[in-house]
Amino acid sequence: EPEVTQTPSHQVTQMGQEVILRCVPISNHLYFYWYRQILGQKVEFLVSFYNNEISEKSEIFDDQFSVERPDGSNFTLKIRSTKLEDSAMYFCASNRVGNEQYFGPGTRLTVT
Amino acid sequence: QQQVKQSPQSLIVQKGGISIINCAYENTAFDYFPWYQQFPGKGPALLIAIRPDVSEKKEGRFTISFNKSAKQFSLHIMDSQPGDSATYFCAASKGDSGAGSYQLTFGKGTKLSVIP
Repeated sequence: EPEVTQTPSHQVTQMGQEVILRCVPISNHLYFYWYRQILGQKVEFLVSFYNNEISEKSEIFDDQFSVERPDGSNFTLKIRSTKLEDSAMYFCASNRVGNEQYFGPGTRLTVT
Repeated sequence: QQQVKQSPQSLIVQKGGISIINCAYENTAFDYFPWYQQFPGKGPALLIAIRPDVSEKKEGRFTISFNKSAKQFSLHIMDSQPGDSATYFCAASKGDSGAGSYQLTFGKGTKLSVIP
């Protein structure tokens, strides 16, 4: 069964450093998302990506964040200068046309 | 307007019992209501979902009840098992309608513990 994959599973970085989180969505999906979940809290929407451009973003997704689909399979989230409060689980998700959205296993980002 | 309110925050049920988790939404533009199950350290997994044109959907031991006029929906887990112990999130989204997104708005989650 196809699934969303994410790498790395855990990333530790120092405050102010750049990080890139990687995702491979399900191959025939058209819509791609990043969500984050601070420990013990709800899952929050960051950004959606469709037709090679950002379609929607939340207020969390500020100028420090960017997304890219550099080839036909990968979907990345870059945080330019990490802050302590960026520590969270980051989930990639995807769907075809329609609402059924499938999530990856997540990347735990720890900013020290 | 975008909030989805979920209760209870935690729930303890005996094996074989019924687990009930409730959610309420405000935005009448929402037209898709999924439930996700999340185990510690894992991503949310789609469990079951409903659209507002039906009042109930059942898949195995899991049932969603939907009340459009009250803007509420709930998840019922029949014959709850210890393996059902997880955090459950309700969510809501609206159709693409040209926006290029089916972004999900999540509730705060319910930690379910099923005790033998």
